[in-house]
Amino acid sequence: DQQVKQNSPSLSVQEGRISILNCDYTNSMFDYFLWYKKYPAEGPTFLISISSIKDKNEDGRFTVFLNKSAKHLSLHIVPSQPGDSAVYFCAASSGDGGSQGNLIFGKGTKLSVKP
Amino acid sequence: SQTIHQWPATLVQPVGSPLSLECTVEGTSNPNLYWYRQAAGRGLQLLFYSVGIGQISSEVPQNLSASRPQDRQFILSSKKLLLSDSGFYLCAWSPGPLGYTFGSGTRLTVV
Repeated sequence: DQQVKQNSPSLSVQEGRISILNCDYTNSMFDYFLWYKKYPAEGPTFLISISSIKDKNEDGRFTVFLNKSAKHLSLHIVPSQPGDSAVYFCAASSGDGGSQGNLIFGKGTKLSVKP
Repeated sequence: SQTIHQWPATLVQPVGSPLSLECTVEGTSNPNLYWYRQAAGRGLQLLFYSVGIGQISSEVPQNLSASRPQDRQFILSSKKLLLSDSGFYLCAWSPGPLGYTFGSGTRLTVV
């Protein structure tokens, strides 16, 4: 059973417009969420995170929104740039120590930003 | 500063051959270390994690094994590769429960 779901395998956006990547989770124990960005043949790199005590975290062009009641989070990129084209992974952690804070990843969404 | 090294970058191996992928971390001590695999349509799947020397936890039963002979070294192995072992293997480290730093990955193709 997938605990972290990214239901859109791909997304195509025009340069300058907003990119919205969605992520749903099922485990109510998750209290920390992260987004990673991955280029082909490279390891994922950390992008932005949010704690469950917040509903929004912003870092430059990137904003993550968390809706705990809906168990849903989204990553907004405004304005989108061609260099943002990559696979974006949503990840969640329960931080309960029992699993050593292991991150559970979604399957990823491939974002293509067209010039 | 902390860095993570993973090699080789690419590997093509025949079915039934052994495998050894190595990961080392610099600039930190007693890190939590992880092996992930990214297979087509599967996202990032946690294979093994280790909280210390000789301590390995397996998340998914499979044809692979892991070892941690030294504090900052994590090795992924197989005695006999299967076609289904093909994928992109990523090592990661974490100083604690929140957030990982990933290595650059190894693209393994089993033929």
